[in-house]
Amino acid sequence: GESVGLHLPTLSVQEGDNSIINCAYSNSASDYFIWYKQESGKGPQFIIDIRSNMDKRQGQRVTVLLNKTVKHLSLQIAATQPGDSAVYFCAENSNNAGNMLTFGGGTRLMVKP
Amino acid sequence: DTEVTQTPKHLVMGMTNKKSLKCEQHMGHRAMYWYKQKAKKPPELMFVYSYEKLSINESVPSRFSPECPNSSLLNLHLHALQPEDSALYLCASSSSAGGYYEQYFGPGTRLTVT
Repeated sequence: GESVGLHLPTLSVQEGDNSIINCAYSNSASDYFIWYKQESGKGPQFIIDIRSNMDKRQGQRVTVLLNKTVKHLSLQIAATQPGDSAVYFCAENSNNAGNMLTFGGGTRLMVKP
Repeated sequence: DTEVTQTPKHLVMGMTNKKSLKCEQHMGHRAMYWYKQKAKKPPELMFVYSYEKLSINESVPSRFSPECPNSSLLNLHLHALQPEDSALYLCASSSSAGGYYEQYFGPGTRLTVT
């Protein structure tokens, strides 16, 4: 299930299950969104992006959904694997800001074997 | 080569020391970034360089001094830091600082100020 800890929200899932990580963004002018994965001791790694003229984009085992009406972004990971265990950040960008990213708070995904 | 490298991996420095963090990329990217990341927090943008010129300084204290000697290198000079500056410092690069381009991150330098 999903819980909010003292620092990072944590999502714990069983290996093989699907995971859904949510993100709320605040800037209605944001028109480009990215999901990053950060493993312990590493920098953020690009997973998938979506522009505001789309509401869904699929990659390999990952899908990003964008709901501009409620300013909500989600990352779905199919058949979650132990290697998916990491902290996931959403990031937003607006054309007015150039390529400046504003990161969301992050969610820790823990995959139980 | 889609790698951004950072040195050193770890750095411990006193409040009176002067040290530098280094970042390098060979992807031909013309935009480079410094971010600061505190434990269990998201990265926060510090500086943006575009075509080797500082284009954005997010109100960073002057004890942090960035430098871009050429299009492949980015340095962050540190002087008279405070313990609260202890964090993971991430470098990133992208094709351009305008528009939407994937930012590639290095592994970071974990800095401890004593």
